[in-house]
Amino acid sequence: DAKTTQPPSMDCAEGRAANLPCNHSTISGNEYVYWYRQIHSQGPQYIIHGLKNNETNEMASLIITEDRKSSTLTLPHATLRDTAVYYCTLLGGGSNYKLTFGKGTLLTVNP
Amino acid sequence: DAGITQSPRHKVTETGTPVTLRCHQTENHRYMYWYRQDPGHGLRLIHYSYGVKDTDKGEVSDGYSVSRSKTEDFLLTLESATSSQTSVYFCAISPNIHEQYFGPGTRLTVT
Repeated sequence: DAKTTQPPSMDCAEGRAANLPCNHSTISGNEYVYWYRQIHSQGPQYIIHGLKNNETNEMASLIITEDRKSSTLTLPHATLRDTAVYYCTLLGGGSNYKLTFGKGTLLTVNP
Repeated sequence: DAGITQSPRHKVTETGTPVTLRCHQTENHRYMYWYRQDPGHGLRLIHYSYGVKDTDKGEVSDGYSVSRSKTEDFLLTLESATSSQTSVYFCAISPNIHEQYFGPGTRLTVT
């Protein structure tokens, strides 16, 4: 019963922006959108999260649509080290501690 | 990287034996988590802790117990290991309920 939907894979050229979409049409009012990534054989890495405003940090930007039913994670200048599986997930309300990942998007950054 | 280590990193054990995995942090974060990650099931929460001696069950807690007697250590014990507990185990820490920082993982094989 995945609450988020992501494309299984995407490609991006090195140095270009990588825009990863996520649909979460059943998001509830108190749920945050979180993005993590996992490089092969490593532990997941927190990237960013947001509730309804756009967010930016040193790694990425998060744009959440006004109706909050979808979001886009942007890596402004992708490098080969950004090749990873990116997970979009929701947390909040009664599931405060229950971080779960679906299948995510495998982003491959090509030279 | 967040100051979080897991030990051992790899372990092979026989069915029916007890196993303890250790998560150690140097960040003094309040929250600590144990997850398992399996192909086809994604990331699943086993147990979590919201303070010393304060723990609670996650979605796949059967067959696992935890203890947290100090802020920096969170132990996961498999009382009697089974083959279905063969997995990669990740510990995570968090200063709040938002971003979680993961350890490098422990690969456990139960034969």
